[in-house]
Amino acid sequence: NAGVMQNPRHLVRRRGQEARLRCSPMKGHSHVYWYRQLPEEGLKFMVYLQKENIIDESGMPKERFSAEFPKEGPSILRIQQVVRGDSAAYFCASSLGGRSSFSNQPQHFGDGTRLSIL
Amino acid sequence: DAKTTQPNSMESNEEEPVHLPCNHSTISGTDYIHWYRQLPSQGPEYVIHGLTSNVNNRMASLAIAEDRKSSTLILHRATLRDAAVYYCILRDRTGGTSYGKLTFGQGTILTVHP
Repeated sequence: NAGVMQNPRHLVRRRGQEARLRCSPMKGHSHVYWYRQLPEEGLKFMVYLQKENIIDESGMPKERFSAEFPKEGPSILRIQQVVRGDSAAYFCASSLGGRSSFSNQPQHFGDGTRLSIL
Repeated sequence: DAKTTQPNSMESNEEEPVHLPCNHSTISGTDYIHWYRQLPSQGPEYVIHGLTSNVNNRMASLAIAEDRKSSTLILHRATLRDAAVYYCILRDRTGGTSYGKLTFGQGTILTVHP
């Protein structure tokens, strides 16, 4: 059984470029979450998506960051005009349930994309 | 959200049991207690969760105090592969607008000695 797949594992961008991070959830999971881990810091929630809908984006920076989870294909976290402070590990997680069962459902994480900004 | 408090670090020897404590004195009656761990250079990994009763699975056991103000994650025989940061997280089953997210604290860094 394939787990949560993230690609690329490592991504290098120059300041001002765009970064696109992809996440394929576990089979059968329709709920996706993105987290960011800055160097020497803890994991911080960014955004929660269900197919074609953003459920909670309370952790997303207001500018340059966007996320989508289309009906077909992986979830994408997009960072426009990257800056050095965007260097971090970005983790995606997925789960089965929605609101009625979320607290009793684990989230399954990928191994992350490590973004480096030159 | 109710907060959790964990020791910054703990050490163990290989093949010995490890008891990782977590205090959550402001826990509400609707909070589940979840544990995750993060091995070096990997994403977090679900370990176990419970509400009121003690729980066992193939990875670990979770012992929950009767008043639910604290809990302990038990690794019965630590291996070198168990060296990781362990996170104790509360999840409110009533939700609210942020029902999906996990709120990670600093966790406990577990070092396992050969």
